[in-house]
Amino acid sequence: DQQVKQNSPSLSVQEGRISILNCDYTNSMFDYFLWYKKYPAEGPTFLISISSIKDKNEDGRFTVFLNKSAKHLSLHIVPSQPGDSAVYFCAASLYSGGGADGLTFGKGTHLIIQP
Amino acid sequence: EAQVTQNPRYLITVTGKKLTVTCSQNMNHEYMSWYRQDPGLGLRQIYYSMNVEVTDKGDVPEGYKVSRKEKRNFPLILESPSPNQTSLYFCASRPTGGNTIYFGEGSWLTVV
Repeated sequence: DQQVKQNSPSLSVQEGRISILNCDYTNSMFDYFLWYKKYPAEGPTFLISISSIKDKNEDGRFTVFLNKSAKHLSLHIVPSQPGDSAVYFCAASLYSGGGADGLTFGKGTHLIIQP
Repeated sequence: EAQVTQNPRYLITVTGKKLTVTCSQNMNHEYMSWYRQDPGLGLRQIYYSMNVEVTDKGDVPEGYKVSRKEKRNFPLILESPSPNQTSLYFCASRPTGGNTIYFGEGSWLTVV
């Protein structure tokens, strides 16, 4: 049973517009969430994270929103740029510091930024 | 430069021929892990290690072995590879107390 779900395999957005990537989770014990970005032929790279005690975290053009009651988080990219075209993975962790376990990943969303 | 290094990056092998994918990190991280990425399935954890001589199974450990004799190295061993182990493999590490995992560049493995 998939605990972290990214229901959109792909998303196409025009350059300059907002990109919104969604992620749902089922395990209410998850308390730390991360977004990773992956280009072809490269390993995933960390993008932004949020602890369950917050509902928003912002870093430049990237903002992550967390709705714990809905078990939903989203990544907003504003404005979208061509270099943002990549696969984005949502990940969740059971521990927010010194955790024993790894991350549970979603299947990824391929974001395509069109000129 | 802080990094996670995997070798080989690309390998084609035959069914049953033992192989090892090496992984080394230079960040003195305690935690290391292996993932595989398959189309439509995302990233799935194979094994992880909390520290030297401490390893544990992830979500898809069947057909794999690991060892952690040194802090910096965490090799992935396929004793008898099968075609269903054809995949893209990522090694990763993070420090104790940190949640950001750093990934290697990946190893493409094809078993024929």
